[in-house]
Amino acid sequence: EAQVTQNPRYLITVTGKKLTVTCSQNMNHEYMSWYRQDPGLGLRQIYYSMNVEVTDKGDVPEGYKVSRKEKRNFPLILESPSPNQTSLYFCASGPSTDYEQYFGPGTRLTVT
Amino acid sequence: SQKIEQNSEALNIQEGKTATLTCNYTNYSPAYLQWYRQDPGRGPVFLLLIRENEKEKRKERLKVTFDTTLKQSLFHITASQPADSATYLCALEGGNKLVFGAGTILRVKS
Repeated sequence: EAQVTQNPRYLITVTGKKLTVTCSQNMNHEYMSWYRQDPGLGLRQIYYSMNVEVTDKGDVPEGYKVSRKEKRNFPLILESPSPNQTSLYFCASGPSTDYEQYFGPGTRLTVT
Repeated sequence: SQKIEQNSEALNIQEGKTATLTCNYTNYSPAYLQWYRQDPGRGPVFLLLIRENEKEKRKERLKVTFDTTLKQSLFHITASQPADSATYLCALEGGNKLVFGAGTILRVKS
């Protein structure tokens, strides 16, 4: 089954404790991206990757890191999480931006 | 500044009627525009993509129009059903990025 998986689905952590949210797709897509979704603000792109070893900042990259060492995986790293990073995070993949994007189920992160 | 605007108020309609959702944009020149459906707590699901050289696209009960002069896309659901109740997001190309509007909540009452 074609899908994007994210782990964990739910995470409660404390300020400053490094964490990684994993994202994996099985559709051989070149384009992958991370979004955060906050009430009233919609989906905002954090980082995107056009292909392996090619990543670039989205609209809200501060406080986040990503890597793309393999085509299927695109982890999101929060080196020192802060409460303003409490949000619902989505990973997505697609052949490119001008084709449909497949979204993961979301990761609800709470930073206290 | 660049903006994507969707109706911020929820759209409430009666079952069987046509729902029309609007997506307006400013200071973008998108080559295409996409529409997604999102249910509470779940990831968006792709519905339709329309390119700048296409005026209209249809898929079953869904229809999308794209007017690059007006800088507007309209999304129609005909013969709406309670199961169509969800948030609908438009997204447009902004360079190598896909930029989303905040979405419009649609409620279809039986």
